[in-house]
Amino acid sequence: QVKLQQSGPGLVKPSQTLSLTCAISGDSVSSNSAAWNWLRQSPSRGLEWLGRTYYRSKWYSDYPVSLRSRITINPDTSKNQFSLQLNSVTPEDTAVYYCAGGLNWFDPWGQGTLVTVSS
Amino acid sequence: SYELTQSPSVSVSPGQTASITCSGDNLGDKYICWYQQKPGQSPVLVIYQDNKRPSGIPERFSGSNSGNSATLTISGTQALDEADYYCQAWDSSTWVFGGGTKLTVL
Repeated sequence: QVKLQQSGPGLVKPSQTLSLTCAISGDSVSSNSAAWNWLRQSPSRGLEWLGRTYYRSKWYSDYPVSLRSRITINPDTSKNQFSLQLNSVTPEDTAVYYCAGGLNWFDPWGQGTLVTVSS
Repeated sequence: SYELTQSPSVSVSPGQTASITCSGDNLGDKYICWYQQKPGQSPVLVIYQDNKRPSGIPERFSGSNSGNSATLTISGTQALDEADYYCQAWDSSTWVFGGGTKLTVL
């Protein structure tokens, strides 16, 4: 059974970088059949997919166009985890952030992290 | 950008059938997933590839997708099915979610 455990700060100042980590148990971040995603949820924006990383003989990352300039999702094979970095945050980035496994659907999900952008 | 539209709320009596719809242009040409989210919890996948149930999801959950709409059907709805439900599809290299439907069992 695959489980995902998120970690990271719940408060980030405007213009700074939001960083979260998702530790994987029961699967490998380097699996040739998996993909590892970040999503977020807020009352104003609903559920929003932020991007994914996956390994198919080499590493790939996909991001929606709207976030491509300020987001990075990286694998960490030594710790079997993956991370999210979102640069230049504003209060609009306040949301519950989730990691999730899956290429064509999302299962399982991490426990969620409320990240507030405020000075 | 592609949009998925859901009714904000649906009410159903216990034991009856609940139908939750998701609409979008030519939605039947895409695969749809459905997620259940209870207050304070992470979403849970209940249907993938239009009509397949992950292991552990009760048989009362079923799905269909054709034309411009997809439907999540819950037969014999129980009080524990009260939750928000979200549809999801892939379009133009991104995952798109519907706005969610709050299912009330009363």
